[in-house]
Amino acid sequence: TQLLEQSPQFLSIQEGENLTVYCNSSSVFSSLQWYRQEPGEGPVLLVTVVTGGEVKKLKRLTFQFGDARKDSSLHITAAQPGDTGLYLCAGGDPAGANSKLTFGKGITLSVRP
Amino acid sequence: EPEVTQTPSHQVTQMGQEVILRCVPISNHLYFYWYRQILGQKVEFLVSFYNNEISEKSEIFDDQFSVERPDGSNFTLKIRSTKLEDSAMYFCASSEERGQRQPQHFGDGTRLSIL
Repeated sequence: TQLLEQSPQFLSIQEGENLTVYCNSSSVFSSLQWYRQEPGEGPVLLVTVVTGGEVKKLKRLTFQFGDARKDSSLHITAAQPGDTGLYLCAGGDPAGANSKLTFGKGITLSVRP
Repeated sequence: EPEVTQTPSHQVTQMGQEVILRCVPISNHLYFYWYRQILGQKVEFLVSFYNNEISEKSEIFDDQFSVERPDGSNFTLKIRSTKLEDSAMYFCASSEERGQRQPQHFGDGTRLSIL
């Protein structure tokens, strides 16, 4: 069974601070997708990383896939209150022909004005 | 931007009753999925569907569950005889192509409450 552990589980920071959160596993994934989920809504895709070592930027968000494709990080520069939300990582199953995603429990981020 | 739509947003059903959750995937997408999220827990894969048949299913997706694409736009999840533990958010997702690296786009979910 593949597991994704996200850390920290909760993070509360001041507006303007930088932060890095993590998504780790002992298993290799074919891809890593990061989602953001607001209360009462579905996960919204932020980025997909597929190559070991890959870095993708989305405005102030920087996503990195580990060289061994077992872990990923999300770095936010100069966090804003609008970044508040639940951040989920989900890994693609390398063993299957399909696209079953394995999700982590998520990181709840609160950015105080 | 095209989106996945799910109805109803909230369904309350008596234990033992049948329930059908409906989804309209993004129009040019060919691969469809159902996931569920029990309150306070992870999002869990239930089933994937392509070309009018199930591609893969999890151990959660037992004989009480079924999926169908009754027409060219809808994708449904049926739970034949609901149990209390079926209470959860159910998310539908779709992707344009097959493969582990294809992004999946999620709907806003149906909150299913079993009484």
